[in-house]
Amino acid sequence: RKEVEQDPGPFNVPEGATVAFNCTYSNSASQSFFWYRQDCRKEPKLLMSVYSSGNEDGRFTAQLNRASQYISLLIRDSKLSDSATYLCVVSRENTDKLIFGTGTRLQVFP
Amino acid sequence: GAGVSQSPSNKVTEKGKDVELRCDPISGHTALYWYRQRLGQGLEFLIYFQGNSAPDKSGLPSDRFSAERTGESVSTLTIQRTQQEDSAVYLCASAPGLAGGEQFFGPGTRLTVL
Repeated sequence: RKEVEQDPGPFNVPEGATVAFNCTYSNSASQSFFWYRQDCRKEPKLLMSVYSSGNEDGRFTAQLNRASQYISLLIRDSKLSDSATYLCVVSRENTDKLIFGTGTRLQVFP
Repeated sequence: GAGVSQSPSNKVTEKGKDVELRCDPISGHTALYWYRQRLGQGLEFLIYFQGNSAPDKSGLPSDRFSAERTGESVSTLTIQRTQQEDSAVYLCASAPGLAGGEQFFGPGTRLTVL
């Protein structure tokens, strides 16, 4: 079993839609959680950290459920520019080594 | 300020040749990572350097792969006797070394083995 698992998609949604991605992780000792975004043929970049209480950044909301070991990302009012692959990322306790999921591909159409 | 840089940006080589890929991390970042990403696939961890600690080489796929880092600066990833399955984008990332800190990626080196 992979340490971080994501549905690869693709998720094809119209502009303005709300879309949610989930991710599960297997290592209960994981302490830090992130969503990264990777555009086609580009390097990954940090989208947002995920905090235990949940956090929001504009149209993006991230949630963490430690008991069930899953992380979610909600995107409201999707824009064409949101089209990308979204990578779920966890780190292990007391290290900065990050484990990347294989990503969920989002395609927003007009 | 300067981000992570990698060179070359593209490398085409013949099967059986050795290649060397270079990564210049952000100044002051103690952690450095190498990843491999095949076309349409996720990131595959290769190796991790943290300060003066022994590197974590657990992701290197074979003994044809090796990497070095000089102090807390430049790193080189060497692939000996390249095979066609080595064709991929090789990404380097650096981080400040704080637990749970953000990683900053370079633009990658696209390696094609003919």
